[in-house]
Amino acid sequence: GENVEQHPSTLSVQEGDSAVIKCTYSDSASNYFPWYKQELGKRPQLIIDIRSNVGEKKDQRIAVTLNKTAKHFSLHITETQPEDSAVYFCAASIRNTDKLIFGTGTRLQVFP
Amino acid sequence: GAVVSQHPSWVICKSGTSVKIECRSLDFQATTMFWYRQFPKQSLMLMATSNEGSKATYEQGVEKDKFLINHASLTLSTLTVTSAHPEDSSFYICSARDVARGNEKLFFGSGTQLSVL
Repeated sequence: GENVEQHPSTLSVQEGDSAVIKCTYSDSASNYFPWYKQELGKRPQLIIDIRSNVGEKKDQRIAVTLNKTAKHFSLHITETQPEDSAVYFCAASIRNTDKLIFGTGTRLQVFP
Repeated sequence: GAVVSQHPSWVICKSGTSVKIECRSLDFQATTMFWYRQFPKQSLMLMATSNEGSKATYEQGVEKDKFLINHASLTLSTLTVTSAHPEDSSFYICSARDVARGNEKLFFGSGTQLSVL
C-alpha cells in the first residue's frame, strides 16, 4: 500500500541553525504534500503545503521543496528558534481519494 | 483557516463503557471528516472516513463495530468507542476540509485523550 517515510526521527539543532526534514512517498499519483507541526498534547497545525505542479514554496523561515521524479519532498527551517521545537509530520495525498497518509514524524529540538 | 472543534478534550472511563467524541466544523460545512488515532510519540493513523448521510468507510484493521461513526449533519461527526478497554486508550483526533471553498487543506480538531481504566 501507500507509504510515506520520514527522516530523521529526531533532530537537535542550535538556535539560529537550519533544520531539514526529508520525506519519501510511494504513490506516484500523490499531488498534495502538507507539513504539520504538533506540540505536545495539541492538534497538528498546518505550517506549509505544496502541490505537485510546484517545485518549491517558501513562507518566511519555512520552505518546502518537491522532487516528483525522485518522490522526495523536504521541509527547510532557517534561523531556528526554541519555539520551533515540536514534532513535525509530512503527509502525502492518496490517489483518487481525499485522504492523507502521514510520515512517522520528526521531533525537532532547538537549543538556545 | 477553517475551524474544527472537538469535544471532550479528556475522557477517563471504566472498562466496558462507551465513549462518544464529537467533531464539529464551526465555520464551514464538511461532507467528509476523518478520524485519526495517535499513540504516544507515534504518527497519525487514519481510522475511518466519515461521510455525511452515508456509512463511514473504515481503514483496514479498524473494527467498525468497535468504533461507531455517525455523520448526521454537514457540521457534526461523532465517534463512539464502544465497550472500551485499556488498549483503546489513545489520542483520537478528527479533521476536515472546507471543500466548498476549493480548499484542500486539512484542519484538525484539538483531539481527545481517552484513558480507559
